[in-house]
Amino acid sequence: DAGITQSPRHKVTETGTPVTLRCHQTENHRYMYWYRQDPGHGLRLIHYSYGVKDTDKGEVSDGYSVSRSKTEDFLLTLESATSSQTSVYFCAIRGDGDSGNTIYFGEGSWLTVV
Amino acid sequence: GQNIDQPTEMTATEGAIVQINCTYQTSGFNGLFWYQQHAGEAPTFLSYNVLDGLEEKGRFSSFLSRSKGYSYLLLKELQMKDSASYLCAVRASGGYNKLIFGAGTRLAVHP
Repeated sequence: DAGITQSPRHKVTETGTPVTLRCHQTENHRYMYWYRQDPGHGLRLIHYSYGVKDTDKGEVSDGYSVSRSKTEDFLLTLESATSSQTSVYFCAIRGDGDSGNTIYFGEGSWLTVV
Repeated sequence: GQNIDQPTEMTATEGAIVQINCTYQTSGFNGLFWYQQHAGEAPTFLSYNVLDGLEEKGRFSSFLSRSKGYSYLLLKELQMKDSASYLCAVRASGGYNKLIFGAGTRLAVHP
């Protein structure tokens, strides 16, 4: 258990509405990530953070923004949700010093945009 | 470009041995990871290879050949609970520990 909590775990929203997913960690990890997982594509990196207020884009960042105002919280925002953003979203943290700084995942947030 | 290939699906029999292959082409290489993911759950870490050779951990082993851009995950004494997807991921160069994932191999274990 890497001490990661995602909320909400499940959400249905309408096209065009804003949505924020929250990732909370309790072990003071510096690196945090947001991935999405879709059939046939595997896990794809949306955004990542390497410290408070330090964030950068991943490979599929269009339509998403992030914020990290505290070490423990990493927020993912869909400014105006579209059906193509229906997906499972996983937050992850980097374990420090173990097994090559392995990435550990939260339980996931299932988002449906109708 | 970045590319990680693994078979989409595999089937095997309980008690048998199965090998799941992964080939990769990435801009730099700084480690290869295998994860297990049961349906509806988060991926969980299985193994890590950064040097050539075999890493053994109980019933699971992982092999890496950096010169060939190739890895495999070997599962022995298969159990029904091993039915899951297995994800191969490469940490490319560039810092920040970003992982690039393959699409995953769905393994079905039959009695």
